[in-house]
Amino acid sequence: GEDVEQSLFLSVREGDSSVINCTYTDSSSTYLYWYKQEPGAGLQLLTYIFSNMDMKQDQRLTVLLNKKDKHLSLRIADTQTGDSAIYFCAEPLYNQGGKLIFGQGTELSVKP
Amino acid sequence: NAGVTQTPKFQVLKTGQSMTLQCAQDMNHNSMYWYRQDPGMGLRLIYYSASEGTTDKGEVPNGYNVSRLNKREFSLRLESAAPSQTSVYFCASSRDRALSSGANVLTFGAGSRLTVL
Repeated sequence: GEDVEQSLFLSVREGDSSVINCTYTDSSSTYLYWYKQEPGAGLQLLTYIFSNMDMKQDQRLTVLLNKKDKHLSLRIADTQTGDSAIYFCAEPLYNQGGKLIFGQGTELSVKP
Repeated sequence: NAGVTQTPKFQVLKTGQSMTLQCAQDMNHNSMYWYRQDPGMGLRLIYYSASEGTTDKGEVPNGYNVSRLNKREFSLRLESAAPSQTSVYFCASSRDRALSSGANVLTFGAGSRLTVL
């Protein structure tokens, strides 16, 4: 079945770039998603990428997609303390429409 | 601007007790979901409802039941709570009807923290 894998923790210094990695299993996924969860809150959509794209940039965020290796990454430039949160990647369950399967989440800690 | 509202935010149960988590959305979304979040395991889908009157099992449905009461509301029931059901529960909704067109963006509630003793 589908599986989405992420490392659990990442620690960076304020002003550095952060790169959060994710591997997924379903090569037919049309969209891949990044969600952000701040402490004590629900998840919010951060960005998504369509599978026919290799890269998507949105202000400080850059998403890279390597379909051959089924690898997705999220780069946050000039990381700020307010970026400290848990970041989840997600892919749709195969042939099951809207259901999303999430990775374990990467807890990003930004030190001043 | 409520989005997805979950109640209660916190609940403590004893083993064997029952309870219902309530969820309502005001965005006229078709699909609704219940996930649970456990440390190191991310979010796991419990149940899913593509539209009013339909429900479908997710990855971890055992010990739970759901009701899609109407388009707005989707409740999750624990008939006989067990300590393994201690978790944070999230309800979400999305517009999704056309399965193959467009990104399916989920809007999440703030979560319900359940402890089963």
